[in-house]
Formats: sequence, C-alpha cells, structure tokens
Amino acid sequence: EPEVTQTPSHQVTQMGQEVILRCVPISNHLYFYWYRQILGQKVEFLVSFYNNEISEKSEIFDDQFSVERPDGSNFTLKIRSTKLEDSAMYFCASSLAGTGVYEQYFGPGTRLTVT
Amino acid sequence: DQQVKQNSPSLSVQEGRISILNCDYTNSMFDYFLWYKKYPAEGPTFLISISSIKDKNEDGRFTVFLNKSAKHLSLHIVPSQPGDSAVYFCAASSLQGGSEKLVFGKGTKLTVNP
Repeated sequence: EPEVTQTPSHQVTQMGQEVILRCVPISNHLYFYWYRQILGQKVEFLVSFYNNEISEKSEIFDDQFSVERPDGSNFTLKIRSTKLEDSAMYFCASSLAGTGVYEQYFGPGTRLTVT
Repeated sequence: DQQVKQNSPSLSVQEGRISILNCDYTNSMFDYFLWYKKYPAEGPTFLISISSIKDKNEDGRFTVFLNKSAKHLSLHIVPSQPGDSAVYFCAASSLQGGSEKLVFGKGTKLTVNP
C-alpha cells in the first residue's frame, strides 16, 4: 500500500541553524501539506501546496519557513533559523483532493529538537 | 481557539463492546469531517470521513455519525478490539470555503481491555 515517507525520523539542531525536513508524498497525489504537533498539544496546520505553489498557510508559517517540491517526488520544509519553540513533531501529508477524495494521508513524522 | 473539541481525554472499554468517541465543532463552515487514529511515534492514520451532506458513514467496524444541528459527530467502533487502543483525533475542514486544511481536536486516548 502506498505511503508517505519522511526523513529524518529525528533531527537535533542548535538554535539559529537551518533545517530541512524531507517528505515523499504518495505518488499520484496532488496536494501536499505540513503539520506540526508540539508535545502535549494539538496537531496544527502549517501549509498546503498545490501546483507548485502555496495554496494556504497558517499564522505559524512565517518568513522563517519555506516549502519546495524540488523534483517530481520530494516535498521539503525548510526552517531558516530555528528557535527553541520550533521543537515539535512535523508531519507531512498528501491527498488526491480535487477528485472528490479529500482524505489526507500522513507520514510517520520527523521529531525536531532544537537545543 | 478550539474550533474542534474532544472533551474526553480518555476512554476505556472492554474488548467486544462498543467504543463511542465524541467530537464537537463550533465553525459552521466546516463541511468535511475525518477521524484519525494515532499510535505513539507514528503519524495519524486515516480511518473514516463524512461529508456534511450525510449523517452517517460506515466502514466495517467503524461508523461515523454527524449531527449538523448540534455540531456534533461521533465515531462508533463495534466490536472494540485491543488493537484499537490508540489516540483518536477528530478533524474538520471547510472545503466549500476553499480550505483543505485540517483543524484537529486534542484527541481521545482509547484503551480496549482484553
């Protein structure tokens, strides 16, 4: 069964450093998303991406964040200068959307620890 | 801003019995609802969804009920199995409003006892 994959599973970085989280969405999916979950809190939407551009973003997704689909398979989230409060689980998701199928399928997540 | 609320942080049921997980929402623009299951150290796994034009959707042991007037939905698991023990998240989106972002509840931890 197709699945969303994410690398790395755990990333430790120092405050102020740049990190890139990587995702391979399900191959025929059209919409791509990033969510995060700070420990003990809700899963929160960050950004959605369709047709090579951001379709929607949350207030969390400020200028420190960017997304890219550098080739036909990968989808990345970059945090330019990490802060302690960026420590969270980051989930990538994808969906067929626009075809009447709106379920989003999530990857296993990347645990980001900022020290 | 709790647009999606799961007021029960935990639920414990016996194997073979029914599990009922509840979810309330406040945003009347929500028109698509989903339930996800999550095990520790894994991503949310899609279970079942329902559009606001329906009041019930069934898939095997899982049934979701939607009461739009009460802005309430519930997930029924019958019969419950120990492998169902996980955190269950309710999520909603406003597709007609042009938004596919999912707004999640805080989750309910279900424990199914053998």
